[in-house]
Amino acid sequence: DVKVTQSSRYLVKRTGEKVFLECVQDMDHENMFWYRQDPGLGLRLIYFSYDVKMKEKGDIPEGYSVSREKKERFSLILESASTNQTSMYLCASSPRLGGQETQYFGPGTRLLVL
Amino acid sequence: AQSVTQLDSHVSVSEGTPVLLRCNYSSSYSPSLFWYVQHPNKGLQLLLKYTSAATLVKGINGFEAEFKKSETSFHLTKPSAHMSDAAEYFCVVSDRSSGGYNKLIFGAGTRLAVHP
Repeated sequence: DVKVTQSSRYLVKRTGEKVFLECVQDMDHENMFWYRQDPGLGLRLIYFSYDVKMKEKGDIPEGYSVSREKKERFSLILESASTNQTSMYLCASSPRLGGQETQYFGPGTRLLVL
Repeated sequence: AQSVTQLDSHVSVSEGTPVLLRCNYSSSYSPSLFWYVQHPNKGLQLLLKYTSAATLVKGINGFEAEFKKSETSFHLTKPSAHMSDAAEYFCVVSDRSSGGYNKLIFGAGTRLAVHP
């Protein structure tokens, strides 16, 4: 069965802290994605990766960076957390980049920045 | 660029009555369209997808959607709502990034409530 896991379901951090969100998939997918989900805005793409050590900016990359050192793992980094980064973060993976692929989502990490 | 508009932020129905969740899209080429569902405290799950084959697409749990190019719509329907259908539903279109890669563009979501 397809599985995407995220390291934490809930996280509380202070302004200015460095935050790491980890995502692991066990499907040998090439592509991985990070989204944030906010009420009334749907999901917005932060970054995605189509191969190990490769990354591409999504629609809202400011204040975030990513790391993909291994195929199964994709990390989202908040270098200096701010209160406007309080949100639900969702990771996803898919087998290839094309117009018709399905993305498989993790359960999400709800981050609160105080 | 592609976009999707979900016309209702909240829909409330009684159990056993039909469900209609409306979605309009904007696309400069033949799009791939999806509906995803998110149950409380769960990740998103694909309900169905349209990929330029049949215009009426059947998905899981009795849902279906019809692609209407003339109306640029992709509404989601179900003949009879069940309590377990209460969730948030997202209409999604495939778009192309500046780097030439395809990515998904999500609508704002429609929260479906089902009453006994």
